[in-house]
Amino acid sequence: DGGITQSPKYLFRKEGQNVTLSCEQNLNHDAMYWYRQDPGQGLRLIYYSQIVNDFQKGDIAEGYSVSREKKESFPLTVTSAQKNPTAFYLCASSIITGLHQPQHFGDGTRLSIL
Amino acid sequence: SQQGEEDPQALSIQEGENATMNCSYKTSINNLQWYRQNSGRGLVHLILIRSNEREKHSGRLRVTLDTSKKSSSLLITASRAADTASYFCATGLTGANSKLTFGKGITLSVRP
Repeated sequence: DGGITQSPKYLFRKEGQNVTLSCEQNLNHDAMYWYRQDPGQGLRLIYYSQIVNDFQKGDIAEGYSVSREKKESFPLTVTSAQKNPTAFYLCASSIITGLHQPQHFGDGTRLSIL
Repeated sequence: SQQGEEDPQALSIQEGENATMNCSYKTSINNLQWYRQNSGRGLVHLILIRSNEREKHSGRLRVTLDTSKKSSSLLITASRAADTASYFCATGLTGANSKLTFGKGITLSVRP
């Protein structure tokens, strides 16, 4: 079955530590996205990528970094510069033929501070 | 501020009743989409309506779009307990490549 896999499901970060969230898709989608979800805040876009080796900042990119070395993979690193990283992180993908295609989501990674 | 604003923030209904959820937005859009999120899970795409469409149906779902009022509604008919979830509208803005802007969501509770 095609889909998006996020791992791990739960992640704990210590002070000063960088952590990396994994996102893999086998849908052959060109575009991939990372969102942060806080209670009552909806989804906020962190980074997105429409093609391999290229990505753009979203609305809340500070304290995060990404890479897109393969079409299937779009890992997100939460750096120590992100002072409030506790949130639910969602990865999504879509085709880009035409505009604003439906996005397919993984089941998220919940990040907490130790 | 968010492009899409859903209303109400929370809705509680009895099984079998209809649920109506509204979304308003501020700027010109290419399309508007509705998603569902079960607790602790990712979002699932429900339906997409283009800016030149006024109404769309999918099973028990009916979506309307009024571009003059910059608003959309999602109607779920004959609701079931399994419809309990959060519902989000998302807008694709004109000229904004592939990005979507999501609202804060509506929490729907369907009582058995």
